Amino acid sequence: DAGVTQSPTHLIKTRGQQVTLRCSPISGHKSVSWYQQVLGQGPQFIFQYYEKEERGRGNFPDRFSARQFPNYSSELNVNALLLGDSALYLCASSVFLGQGASEAFFGQGTRLTVV
Amino acid sequence: AQRVTQPEKLLSVFKGAPVELKCNYSYSGSPELFWYVQYSRQRLQLLLRHISRESIKGFTADLNKGETSFHLKKPFAQEEDSAMYYCALNDNFNKFYFGSGTKLNVKP
Repeated sequence: DAGVTQSPTHLIKTRGQQVTLRCSPISGHKSVSWYQQVLGQGPQFIFQYYEKEERGRGNFPDRFSARQFPNYSSELNVNALLLGDSALYLCASSVFLGQGASEAFFGQGTRLTVV
Repeated sequence: AQRVTQPEKLLSVFKGAPVELKCNYSYSGSPELFWYVQYSRQRLQLLLRHISRESIKGFTADLNKGETSFHLKKPFAQEEDSAMYYCALNDNFNKFYFGSGTKLNVKP
């Protein structure tokens, strides 16, 4: 099993542009979450999807959106990029939802640089 | 509101010395606490979770609800323990709230 895979690994965008990040969860995992990790800080929760429905949203502006597909893969979209959006974006998958759930497995992340 | 605090950004110890990485949390419900570790150039991975009460790689962590703490301990640090350690709280919907992390540096 390849684990959680994210693409691309690195990305450079200009302010105002839009970006799409992709995540493929571990086979059999139905829950996908997105996190933003700014340099020097811990990951911060952005979105959670389970069975293709949004189940949670962190304190991020509407420029951030996501979706989950029937095969449980997911995309994170960010519009009107700002310099402050530069960060490592992590995807995590788990089998199901709720406390006592199996652990969350993280991808390697996508390093987004906004110039 | 949920909050996880790791007061130390960097902790340096010598090989063989005891290690304690501090973690405090605030959460209105019944928390589920984790420690995640990130070795150099590797992805974030689970080290241990409080409900399993396991000892992984010699590390243990006890949930103290009275002090709202979940400190990570190891009696004898090894050089291969050098990494970033993140304490995390899982809410009822499998959302993780992470602390800012502690970099552990084990010197030979």
